[in-house]
Amino acid sequence: GDSVTQMEGPVTLSEEAFLTINCTYTATGYPSLFWYVQYPGEGLQLLLKATKADDKGSNKGFEATYRKETTSFHLEKGSVQVSDSAVYFCVCDKLIFGTGTRLQVFP
Amino acid sequence: NAGVTQTPKFRILKIGQSMTLQCTQDMNHNYMYWYRQDPGMGLKLIYYSVGAGITDKGEVPNGYNVSRSTTEDFPLRLELAAPSQTSVYFCASSRPGQGPEAFFGQGTRLTVV
Repeated sequence: GDSVTQMEGPVTLSEEAFLTINCTYTATGYPSLFWYVQYPGEGLQLLLKATKADDKGSNKGFEATYRKETTSFHLEKGSVQVSDSAVYFCVCDKLIFGTGTRLQVFP
Repeated sequence: NAGVTQTPKFRILKIGQSMTLQCTQDMNHNYMYWYRQDPGMGLKLIYYSVGAGITDKGEVPNGYNVSRSTTEDFPLRLELAAPSQTSVYFCASSRPGQGPEAFFGQGTRLTVV
C-alpha cells in the first residue's frame, strides 16, 4: 500500500540555519504531496503542496519539490526562525501521514 | 469562517465510560476523517467517510464507532473507554473535487484513567 517515510527527529537548529527534512513516498501513480505543520498545542495546518511531478510548493519561506525520479518531497528553508519550531508531517494522497519530524530552533 | 470544529477540547474519562467526540464542518466537504495522535507519534486513521451514510474503517478502528447522517457532522463514539485510548483526536475534512488538501480541527485531548 501507499506509504510515506520521513526523517526522524528531533531536528535541532540555531536561528538562521538551513533546514532540510527528508521525505520519500511509495505510491501507485502520481499522488499529490503535502507538508503539514503542527505548532505546539494546535491542530494541523497545510504548509504547502504539489500536485504533479516537478511542481514546487512554497509558503512562508519553505519549499519542497516533487521529484518523481527519486519519489521524494524534501522540505527546505534557507533561514529558520524560532517561530518555525513545530512538528512537520509529510503526507500523500488519501492522507497517508509520515511519522512527523519535530523541529526545534534556538536563538 | 468556522472550518472544522471539534468538541470538547479536553476530556477525562474513567475506564469503561463512554463518550462521543463531536466534529462538524461548514465547507460542504464530502470526505471526513478521524485520526488519533499518540505522544511523539504521527497520525493514525481511525475511520473515514466519503459522504453521508457511508463510513469505512481506517488503520485503527477497534474500540470506536462512527456515523455520518449529514454532510456536516461526523461524530466518533467510544463505547468502553480504555487507557490505550488516551490520545489526541483530530477530525478532518476534504473535498477532492475542489483540491486534495484536508482541513483539520483543533483536536480533542482525551485521557482515560
